[in-house]
Amino acid sequence: GAVVSQHPSRVICKSGTSVKIECRSLDFQATTMFWYRQFPKKSLMLMATSNEGSKATYEQGVEKDKFLINHASLTLSTLTVTSAHPEDSSFYICSARDPGTGHTEAFFGQGTRLTVV
Amino acid sequence: GNSVTQMEGPVTLSEEAFLTINCTYTATGYPSLFWYVQYPGEGLQLLLKATKADDKGSNKGFEATYRKETTSFHLEKGSVQVSDSAVYFCALSDQGGSEKLVFGKGMKLTVNP
Repeated sequence: GAVVSQHPSRVICKSGTSVKIECRSLDFQATTMFWYRQFPKKSLMLMATSNEGSKATYEQGVEKDKFLINHASLTLSTLTVTSAHPEDSSFYICSARDPGTGHTEAFFGQGTRLTVV
Repeated sequence: GNSVTQMEGPVTLSEEAFLTINCTYTATGYPSLFWYVQYPGEGLQLLLKATKADDKGSNKGFEATYRKETTSFHLEKGSVQVSDSAVYFCALSDQGGSEKLVFGKGMKLTVNP
């Protein structure tokens, strides 16, 4: 199947700093990517839909200025957590659909464990 | 809104044991249903899916049947292996494809030799 690579897999940062997470589709072009967040013992929750060449669509309750999403190319979307605080500590996962599969399957990155200290 | 409720673990089984992971959903319309699996250190992978009532998805010995009358999509495997140790997520998509997946909490399965 198609491969989605997410980097870094783990990051620890200080409160008040910003962290960028990258999501790449390695062998297909993704016009749409999705960013999820998973709290301990809770479901993956969709944060936003990232659209290549246009603004991301955020889910209700997600702060746009806090979680900046850029989808500048067909193979790369980035999520920047700005002015991070300990409550932003979580597991972030991206996914992308491969148009070649008829959009019937989403491929996921390995996830990024963010710890804000 | 749409939601998915699944068994919470963790669950530990012996090799060759029978596995059932319950999953029920709440949704308007006719969602597609999925089981995703996450092996240690890897991303989520699609295990199987069903797009309409009474469909049965199957893969790697796992099966799940889309039951509209009970709004369920339980995952079963007759004989688990050590290599099945992973976290299993039930999910639904309300647009007929895999956009905006709604996930259950996931269940960690450990299979001992």
